[in-house]
Amino acid sequence: DTAVSQTPKYLVTQMGNDKSIKCEQNLGHDTMYWYKQDSKKFLKIMFSYNNKELIINETVPNRFSPKSPDKAHLNLHINSLELGDSAVYFCASSQDGLGLIDTQYFGPGTRLTVL
Amino acid sequence: KQEVTQIPAALSVPEGENLVLNCSFTDSAIYNLQWFRQDPGKGLTSLLLIQSSQREQTSGRLNASLDKSSGRSTLYIAASQPGDSATYLCAVRGNTPLVFGKGTRLSVIA
Repeated sequence: DTAVSQTPKYLVTQMGNDKSIKCEQNLGHDTMYWYKQDSKKFLKIMFSYNNKELIINETVPNRFSPKSPDKAHLNLHINSLELGDSAVYFCASSQDGLGLIDTQYFGPGTRLTVL
Repeated sequence: KQEVTQIPAALSVPEGENLVLNCSFTDSAIYNLQWFRQDPGKGLTSLLLIQSSQREQTSGRLNASLDKSSGRSTLYIAASQPGDSATYLCAVRGNTPLVFGKGTRLSVIA
């Protein structure tokens, strides 16, 4: 009965590869997010989708492409991985579209290591 | 540009002590402020959300206050327990998406 789930939990890959991280929420929320937490533990938003539509894109390189097949899923695909992409990626969801009222619920994170 | 600062970066206290974590933000035009807890290797758990029109929120041994005009919030933890050991993150929602501080790493020693 996990609210926000992510797979995989750990991902180790070579530079230049393409990889995907999946996220699913069973809370019935309309909005989902991807965050990146770097080695200094600084957490920063990357994308936000509301009902499958992109509403926030925080100047993330276009090697990162989120895809939302339905409002319960927001997957993150990364092309041509670079060393600097190594981080923990968190998925989150909230009921309201802009996060103005409701709290956000976070997944357990995916630790990506690029060698 | 909104910036969120948390002081101290780390804090160690003996069990049973009351403690205060501080959060400050540079742009007072906010919709809400949230406190989260992050355990090692885990995701974030929401503790308290304070809307911009509110002054404080309470949940169990936790009390969060908000002074929007001065750009400050505090998280008060009463009667701390070893299970409270975690990193506590403050996040602000304004005209930009949720902006996080770097957190305060709390250790409660039994």
